Amino acid sequence: EDQVTQSPEALRLQEGESSSLNCSYTVSGLRGLFWYRQDPGKGPEFLFTLYSAGEEKEKERLKATLTKKESFLHITAPKPEDSATYLCAFVPNSGYALNFGKGTSLLVTP
Amino acid sequence: GAVVSQHPSRVICKSGTSVKIECRSLDFQATTMFWYRQFPKQSLMLMATSNEGSKATYEQGVEKDKFLINHASLTLSTLTVTSAHPEDSSFYICSARQSGGTGELFFGEGSRLTVL
Repeated sequence: EDQVTQSPEALRLQEGESSSLNCSYTVSGLRGLFWYRQDPGKGPEFLFTLYSAGEEKEKERLKATLTKKESFLHITAPKPEDSATYLCAFVPNSGYALNFGKGTSLLVTP
Repeated sequence: GAVVSQHPSRVICKSGTSVKIECRSLDFQATTMFWYRQFPKQSLMLMATSNEGSKATYEQGVEKDKFLINHASLTLSTLTVTSAHPEDSSFYICSARQSGGTGELFFGEGSRLTVL
């Protein structure tokens, strides 16, 4: 069964303390690995799409990377406003909708 | 990015009543929209795929007679929760993929339904 597994479930960082979030996947015929950010009570906000192993994308303090088995979301020198739930997702071969992992809840303290 | 608007953002209703949630793509056309449900501290679960001008496709375990979906135009899809019960209380989120775009889904702000 195609799925993504995110770890850790929750992460607490001090402001400026860099870290990485993990999304391991078992998806046949991957058609894109997506990262979203979700704030409480809001819909997800698109961050990145990665299509092939070795691909990297950056946006401000975030960098997403992809290997053949997992994706990482690296957060460099995070700020309190980076606190949110980060979701990874994929599109299965059998459909068009995104299937989401359970997310990593990130809290960055001053 | 593209904008998807949902209305209402919050709704409280009595058990047994029906509630309609609207999802609009404001600056692009979407032949396909998706409806998700999210329970507290859970991830998004796909409920159905809504196709303009045709019947929606529901995920296994989602009652199509309870969650009525209409996609009458390229910019509007509606979800009606019929005869709502307290267990239907949840956060409902719609999304749309821009036709000819690069594949990412754009999400609405979500609608918080509370059934008393």
